Amino acid sequence: GAVVSQHPSRVICKSGTSVKIECRSLDFQATTMFWYRQFPKQSLMLMATSNEGSKATYEQGVEKDKFLINHASLTLSTLTVTSAHPEDSSFYICSAGQGPQPQHFGDGTRLSIL
Amino acid sequence: AQSVTQLGSHVSVSEGALVLLRCNYSSSVPPYLFWYVQYPNQGLQLLLKYTTGATLVKGINGFEAEFKKSETSFHLTKPSAHMSDAAEYFCAVSDGTASKLTFGTGTRLQVTL
Repeated sequence: GAVVSQHPSRVICKSGTSVKIECRSLDFQATTMFWYRQFPKQSLMLMATSNEGSKATYEQGVEKDKFLINHASLTLSTLTVTSAHPEDSSFYICSAGQGPQPQHFGDGTRLSIL
Repeated sequence: AQSVTQLGSHVSVSEGALVLLRCNYSSSVPPYLFWYVQYPNQGLQLLLKYTTGATLVKGINGFEAEFKKSETSFHLTKPSAHMSDAAEYFCAVSDGTASKLTFGTGTRLQVTL
């Protein structure tokens, strides 16, 4: 089946650091990638939708300058949390879609900002 | 706009008992409905999906769900729970399989001996 790889799985860093998370579709070309954020014991909240070669579409309330998304190829999207602070600590999950097929999810990245 | 309501944030069943996880949706267009399972510190795995056609959908690991338009429901069932079914389950809705998903708040399934 379709595989989505997300890296790193866990990041611990100091406040003020910028952190980059990668999301790769390993065996298919993802026309659309999605980035979600999940707080402990809560549901997934969509942050943004990215299509290859175009700017990401951010959900209301998500700071685009804070969460930079790049989707430079059909197999790779990156989320960069700029100047991260403790309130940015969360579980970030990406998913990838191809045409009419359901989204496939990565295993998530747990970000902890000290 | 679309939304999903999952009744019961925590469900506990005995091993071998019926599993029923409830999901109701709201959508202004014909919905695409999904159930995902999440194990601790992992991403989501698709259990099953409804797009069009047969309203009773069978998924992996013995789960199935029935789309009932009149009740705007898409409840997830499994005849006999197994310890390995213990996880968080999310119902989601979209207006197309590759479109953005709107998730419910999740139901944590606990399976006891």
